[in-house]
Amino acid sequence: AQSVSQHNHHVILSEAASLELGCNYSYGGTVNLFWYVQYPGQHLQLLLKYFSGDPLVKGIKGFEAEFIKSKFSFNLRKPSVQWSDTAEYFCAVNARFSGGYNKLIFGAGTRLAVHP
Amino acid sequence: GAGVSQSPSNKVTEKGKDVELRCDPISGHTALYWYRQSLGQGLEFLIYFQGNSAPDKSGLPSDRFSAERTGGSVSTLTIQRTQQEDSAVYLCASSLTRGDYEQYFGPGTRLTVT
Repeated sequence: AQSVSQHNHHVILSEAASLELGCNYSYGGTVNLFWYVQYPGQHLQLLLKYFSGDPLVKGIKGFEAEFIKSKFSFNLRKPSVQWSDTAEYFCAVNARFSGGYNKLIFGAGTRLAVHP
Repeated sequence: GAGVSQSPSNKVTEKGKDVELRCDPISGHTALYWYRQSLGQGLEFLIYFQGNSAPDKSGLPSDRFSAERTGGSVSTLTIQRTQQEDSAVYLCASSLTRGDYEQYFGPGTRLTVT
């Protein structure tokens, strides 16, 4: 069965620190990969996505993620975090099923707290 | 344009009561998904609709859970005889087509069973 592992459940950083959140998935077929973010009191929003092509993808607000197929990983990075990045981050894998539709498999999430 | 909307935003109910949660997808989106987010857990897939039919109900945790979609639009998730372990945030998402990779999420309904 497909699964997604996020290594860090809670991360605390100071502003301007660099961020890397780990994500590994288990699925042998073609996948599409996503990072979603949930800011306090808000709904899930798409941060970035990988479908094909350049394995280094850039998203909103200075975030980027690198797809490493050999490691089944899709880690999220940001060189310098801001207080406004405080949120919960979810990695997700989207696998195509025989019915031709897509089901998102989510990781457990990482709560990021950025202190000024 | 309008995003996915869900109602109510919060629901507190007593154990054993039935509840209905509503989702209004983005207009024109044919695919609709329900997920559940429990405390300390990730998001768990519940059910998928394509139009009014549900080809995949594999995530529904028990026969107390059911869902329907009418007119290819609004969907209702019903939980009968609620239990405390049903307490969670129930999220709805929609996508343009069943093959569309990007899903747009609603704000969720926070269900608390006392």
